[in-house]
Amino acid sequence: AQSVTQLDSHVSVSEGTPVLLRCNYSSSYSPSLFWYVQHPNKGLQLLLKYTSAATLVKGINGFEAEFKKSETSFHLTKPSAHMSDAAEYFCVVSDPTNAGNMLTFGGGTRLMVKP
Amino acid sequence: EPEVTQTPSHQVTQMGQEVILRCVPISNHLYFYWYRQILGQKVEFLVSFYNNEISEKSEIFDDQFSVERPDGSNFTLKIRSTKLEDSAMYFCASGAGQGARYEQYFGPGTRLTVT
Repeated sequence: AQSVTQLDSHVSVSEGTPVLLRCNYSSSYSPSLFWYVQHPNKGLQLLLKYTSAATLVKGINGFEAEFKKSETSFHLTKPSAHMSDAAEYFCVVSDPTNAGNMLTFGGGTRLMVKP
Repeated sequence: EPEVTQTPSHQVTQMGQEVILRCVPISNHLYFYWYRQILGQKVEFLVSFYNNEISEKSEIFDDQFSVERPDGSNFTLKIRSTKLEDSAMYFCASGAGQGARYEQYFGPGTRLTVT
């Protein structure tokens, strides 16, 4: 079985300061890991994914995440927050052996960006 | 840019009624999914569908639920006799292939309220 824990339900930062959204996972296999973002009234959009290649993954809009197997973590970072980054962020794990390609979601982190 | 669309955006129904939630996946995609998110809880996988068959389903997806691709463009989720606990946001997703190499593209969701 696989699971994802997002350690913070809400994170508030000031515009221009760094963003850190924390994620820990549990998986019996070498997992694939994703970060999705959801803006209000929009679908879930893929930010980045890790699929057993480079452990530091770069995504869209300046976000990146580092896969750390020893810590079972996949934290999302951005050097400088922008007002448009305010949204809900989901850390997601997929078992690559799973025939149905099921995604398992974390509980989400709401990022607020103050001017 | 191609998008997954879902209709309606909001659906209110009475307990015991049947509802059909509709999705139009991205046109060249072959893999289709439904997820749901009960208010305050995690996004949960319901079912995956490929080649006119269910590939995988979760424990939530019991006999009250069914999926169909009736006409080659729509992908529907039917709940035969709704219960109060079916109230949730339902997300449709589609993908071009199986496995983590292929992103799942999500629609904006349908909010179902059962009264």
